Amino acid sequence: GQQVMQIPQYQHVQEGEDFTTYCNSSTTLSNIQWYKQRPGGHPVFLIQLVKSGEVKKQKRLTFQFGEAKKNSSLHITATQTTDVGTYFCAFATIQGAQKLVFGQGTRLTINP
Amino acid sequence: EAGVTQFPSHSVIEKGQTVTLRCDPISGHDNLYWYRRVMGKEIKFLLHFVKESKQDESGMPNNRFLAERTGGTYSTLKVQPAELEDSGVYFCASSQGGRRLLYEQYFGPGTRLTVT
Repeated sequence: GQQVMQIPQYQHVQEGEDFTTYCNSSTTLSNIQWYKQRPGGHPVFLIQLVKSGEVKKQKRLTFQFGEAKKNSSLHITATQTTDVGTYFCAFATIQGAQKLVFGQGTRLTINP
Repeated sequence: EAGVTQFPSHSVIEKGQTVTLRCDPISGHDNLYWYRRVMGKEIKFLLHFVKESKQDESGMPNNRFLAERTGGTYSTLKVQPAELEDSGVYFCASSQGGRRLLYEQYFGPGTRLTVT
């Protein structure tokens, strides 16, 4: 079935540095969603992208969906300690259950 | 509005024992999902209910897992008998029903299951 590969698996940055995580699929995706899971917490929905080339911003977070709808990225500008956590990309299957298929996640740690 | 709740938050059981996890979705959400995350790997889908009906249980690992959703409200996931590889965090999520194509899923805090 369809899968998404997410890189890197881990990223450690100094506070104030930028951070990017990438999500790739070998097939065209109808949508991409991003979730954040704080340490010890649960996944929290951040955003959903559905259009080719779509770019959305939430304060210091920028989300992109590739023109071919096979890749996506999440970029955080000037990280803060509150950004610590694991970021997951996922897509929702259109047919049937609309279940989420997750990438492996990128764990972000920050040196204050 | 109360979020998705799960009980217990943690469970430690011995191999061969039985454990039942419970999920209370957000009131009015027809869709209820179970997911599992094992040891830092990706979060994997287990099954999906629409109201009281199982729509998709393709992610259930084997017949040791049994899920129910009585009356279309809360759901339980029973593991019997538990094996070591069942350890992980079990998340429940819910979303609205209706004609809209995609709905945000709201996750519960999870149940951390440890089988020793």
